[in-house]
Amino acid sequence: QKEVEQNSGPLSVPEGAIASLNCTYSDRGSQSFFWYRQYSGKSPELIMFIYSNGDKEDGRFTAQLNKASQYVSLLIRDSQPSDSATYLCAVNMGGGSYIPTFGRGTSLIVHP
Amino acid sequence: DTAVSQTPKYLVTQMGNDKSIKCEQNLGHDTMYWYKQDSKKFLKIMFSYNNKELIINETVPNRFSPKSPDKAHLNLHINSLELGDSAVYFCASSQGNNQPQHFGDGTRLSIL
Repeated sequence: QKEVEQNSGPLSVPEGAIASLNCTYSDRGSQSFFWYRQYSGKSPELIMFIYSNGDKEDGRFTAQLNKASQYVSLLIRDSQPSDSATYLCAVNMGGGSYIPTFGRGTSLIVHP
Repeated sequence: DTAVSQTPKYLVTQMGNDKSIKCEQNLGHDTMYWYKQDSKKFLKIMFSYNNKELIINETVPNRFSPKSPDKAHLNLHINSLELGDSAVYFCASSQGNNQPQHFGDGTRLSIL
């Protein structure tokens, strides 16, 4: 069964620190990887996406992908209390069929 | 100017009833999705359409029937509602089936 695994947390970090969120996936043929943020009672919103091995930076966010280890991570620099939310890792699995598969999410708490 | 809009936002009904949820996107995307998010916040793909053609049909009871009259609309009809159908249903869209998704605000379905 094709799965995406995340630590449910909560991950608690102080304001200004770096938050590191991790995700592993089971399908070696996966080609596209996404991080979504979901506030309580709201819909998921895209934070980052990455298709190639290595790092991709956008403002305070960096996505890291290692296909050999089937591992994708999200770093949030200078964490703010407004970053407190659940972060969902999503992987399009199944080679050409691209079935979106979500992890159960990691709850992040940034305390002042 | 809402990008992905779902109606209704809340749906409270009794077991055994039939109900529909509508979704429309004005982003010009060609792929649309239905997801179910259960009480534990696990987001699971149900269906996906690309240019009105069904491309993903995960293991969903046949009481659930999607319909896409055109590429900007994807509706979900549910027959004979059961207690286990209580969840938040999200519609999403993307440009291509391997691209980031934009989510609607969700429809909270409660079965009495």
